Amino acid sequence: AQSVAQPEDQVNVAEGNPLTVKCTYSVSGNPYLFWYVQYPNRGLQFLLKYITGDNLVKGSYGFEAEFNKSQTSFHLKKPSALVSDSALYFCAVRDYFGNNAGNMLTFGGGTRLMVKP
Amino acid sequence: DSGVTQTPKHLITATGQRVTLRCSPRSGDLSVYWYQQSLDQGLQFLIQYYNGEERAKGNILERFSAQQFPDLHSELNLSSLELGDSALYFCASLGLGYGYTFGSGTRLTVV
Repeated sequence: AQSVAQPEDQVNVAEGNPLTVKCTYSVSGNPYLFWYVQYPNRGLQFLLKYITGDNLVKGSYGFEAEFNKSQTSFHLKKPSALVSDSALYFCAVRDYFGNNAGNMLTFGGGTRLMVKP
Repeated sequence: DSGVTQTPKHLITATGQRVTLRCSPRSGDLSVYWYQQSLDQGLQFLIQYYNGEERAKGNILERFSAQQFPDLHSELNLSSLELGDSALYFCASLGLGYGYTFGSGTRLTVV
């Protein structure tokens, strides 16, 4: 089974500073990786995905992520954090059930991002 | 609006009761997924349906069941509810380009 890990429960950053939210993955084969954001009392919003191609993926709201095969990482980044970026961030990997071609997203435990003014 | 519609948004019920959560996927999406989000378990995959057929099953309790109807909407049935079933239940649908789109969830509180 595929899995992802988010080593930090919380990341604190000052507004205007760059931010990084870490994610490492463990997969067999080529990974399909995703980042989602969850604001309080809201659903999961898609930020970006890596399927294949360029290792630097650009997404919504100025976020980007770098796929690093040698380090099995897919860290989420933003050059300049905003207070409104404060939320819960989830890394996910597409997993498969081979018999019936079923699939699903397996999520990391989530990282709470706190951006302070 | 993500295009995935979940009803109701909030549900409060007593232990031992049965509830039904409803999900309508984005127009044209054939796959529907159900997830449970609780504080101690994080986001757990429950079950996937594709065009009316069950395709994948995760850590779904025997007290829980789901189905997908011909119009592609899905229902998650939770029975003999326990306090520990209190959680946020999400539905997602899968479109072209591997895009999983989530609804805003149903918050279930069992008292």
